[in-house]
Amino acid sequence: TQLLEQSPQFLSIQEGENLTVYCNSSSVFSSLQWYRQEPGEGPVLLVTVVTGGEVKKLKRLTFQFGDARKDSSLHITAAQPGDTGLYLCAGVGSGTYKYIFGTGTRLKVLA
Amino acid sequence: DSGVTQTPKHLITATGQRVTLRCSPRSGDLSVYWYQQSLDQGLQFLIQYYNGEERAKGNILERFSAQQFPDLHSELNLSSLELGDSALYFCASSVRSGQETQYFGPGTRLLVL
Repeated sequence: TQLLEQSPQFLSIQEGENLTVYCNSSSVFSSLQWYRQEPGEGPVLLVTVVTGGEVKKLKRLTFQFGDARKDSSLHITAAQPGDTGLYLCAGVGSGTYKYIFGTGTRLKVLA
Repeated sequence: DSGVTQTPKHLITATGQRVTLRCSPRSGDLSVYWYQQSLDQGLQFLIQYYNGEERAKGNILERFSAQQFPDLHSELNLSSLELGDSALYFCASSVRSGQETQYFGPGTRLLVL
């Protein structure tokens, strides 16, 4: 069974702090997506990373795909209360059509 | 707005009942996915359809079934409902089937009393 494990599971920080969320697997993924979900809403795509070692930036968010394409990270600089939400990584496991979501990281940024 | 629509937005029913959730994918998307999200839990993949055919199955109970119609909208049928079926049910769509982005609808919140 292919799994995407995220850490930490919960994170509560003060506004202005930096943080990193990790998404790890023992399997290779040809691409990974990161989503943010707010309470009662559907997940919204933030970014897709495709190439091993790839780094993508979205304003204060930096996404990295591991060289071996088994892991990814999301770094947020100077977090703001608007960054609060559930962050999910996801991808299609190799050899299947099943789209797998990570276990999720619930972030709360306090003003 | 992702372009994916789901109805109804809220549904309250009793144990033992049967309900149908409906999803219309984004224009041009051929794949539809169904997910269940219980309170404070992650997303559990239920089932995927591509152009009318079942493509992948996740942790979908036998009491649940789905189909995708020729116009590409999809329905998720939940029967013999139990209290534990209370959850948010999301539909997502993508252009094809595979490693591309999925776009999520707003979800249907099901409460089984």
